[in-house]
Amino acid sequence: DAKTTQPTSMDCAEGRAANLPCNHSTISGNEYVYWYRQIHSQGPQYIIHGLKNNETNEMASLIITEDRKSSTLILPHATLRDTAVYYCIVRVDSGAGSYQLTFGKGTKLSVIP
Amino acid sequence: GAGVSQSPRYKVAKRGQDVALRCDPISGHVSLFWYQQALGQGPEFLTYFQNEAQLDKSGLPSDRFFAERPEGSVSTLKIQRTQQEDSAVYLCASSLFGVQGEGEQYFGPGTRLTVT
Repeated sequence: DAKTTQPTSMDCAEGRAANLPCNHSTISGNEYVYWYRQIHSQGPQYIIHGLKNNETNEMASLIITEDRKSSTLILPHATLRDTAVYYCIVRVDSGAGSYQLTFGKGTKLSVIP
Repeated sequence: GAGVSQSPRYKVAKRGQDVALRCDPISGHVSLFWYQQALGQGPEFLTYFQNEAQLDKSGLPSDRFFAERPEGSVSTLKIQRTQQEDSAVYLCASSLFGVQGEGEQYFGPGTRLTVT
């Protein structure tokens, strides 16, 4: 299974861009990278996903390196409400029509006023 | 429309009791997942349903854990003879498509189970 490595924690000043890195050096060619976040006492919330190309939506941008061994999630203008644990996940299709998201421990992002 | 709902939100059980946790996925969603999240950890996969078929139960920690989704909508996770190590938040998620889709999973708020 592809595994991900993320920093344990990061701080970001309110209003600045938050750049969250992730390493997934063993990713396979057809495995997607997903990002979720979890605010305290809530279920995880989907942010964005990608395969090879960079992606952008109303929440964030996802930059995937050409060799696909790492990616960066960018929150362009962090607010206090973005304080959460951010999970970088490689989706694994486990065969027999099933798939899993393996969350890891994520990065605790603290947005500072 | 409504998101994924779970009940109860909190459950306290004495060791050895059986518990049943309910998940109401988003209407029409094909895929349903159960995860277990211990304190300070990320969610860990338990089992996956595509409609009423349980296609993957590789994450269930023991034969005391059982999940069903008989009509392809509501799902129940049952834990028999609960142990203290079963204390965790149990998360349910649903997704519009099956494995062939890229779609995101929508998570419920979870059920916090405490075994005393």
